[in-house]
Amino acid sequence: EPEVTQTPSHQVTQMGQEVILRCVPISNHLYFYWYRQILGQKVEFLVSFYNNEISEKSEIFDDQFSVERPDGSNFTLKIRSTKLEDSAMYFCASIGTSGSNEQFFGPGTRLTVL
Amino acid sequence: ELKVEQNPLFLSMQEGKNYTIYCNYSTTSDRLYWYRQDPGKSLESLFVLLSNGAVKQEGRLMASLDTKARLSTLHITAAVHDLSATYFCAVVIKAAGNKLTFGGGTRVLVKP
Repeated sequence: EPEVTQTPSHQVTQMGQEVILRCVPISNHLYFYWYRQILGQKVEFLVSFYNNEISEKSEIFDDQFSVERPDGSNFTLKIRSTKLEDSAMYFCASIGTSGSNEQFFGPGTRLTVL
Repeated sequence: ELKVEQNPLFLSMQEGKNYTIYCNYSTTSDRLYWYRQDPGKSLESLFVLLSNGAVKQEGRLMASLDTKARLSTLHITAAVHDLSATYFCAVVIKAAGNKLTFGGGTRVLVKP
């Protein structure tokens, strides 16, 4: 069964460093999302992406964040200069064309900023 | 702004008993999802509820939706240990780009 994959599973970085989190959505999906979950808290929407551009972003998604679909299969989230408060699980999700518009989530990347 | 609230935040269950988790949301939505999350893991989709009065059941879990009250419930029948997890509801508004707005989660611990 097709699934969303994410790499790495765990990323440790120093404050101020740039990180790139990678996602491979399900191949025929068209809409892509990033969500964040700080440990023990709820899942928060960061950004949605369709047709090679951002369709919506939350207040969390400030100028330090960017997304890209560089090659038609990968979907990346870049954080330019990480802060301690960026430590969280980051989930990628994608939507296909089924009637329920259900989002399929990847396994997540745990980002730890020291 | 859409707000989604779940209660309780934590539920300690005894095996064999029945419990309900509540999910309230503040504006008209197009669909509502229930997810299960095990510690350190991703989100597993349990149910999607599309219309008023919708009821879905899978094993010991049953979800329902009352769009007039803006309320969904997740009912657990005869709880068993392997239902221990955190359960999230999430609401979608199509006009808001299909993004999911999550509730705060209900952490369920089923004790023998």
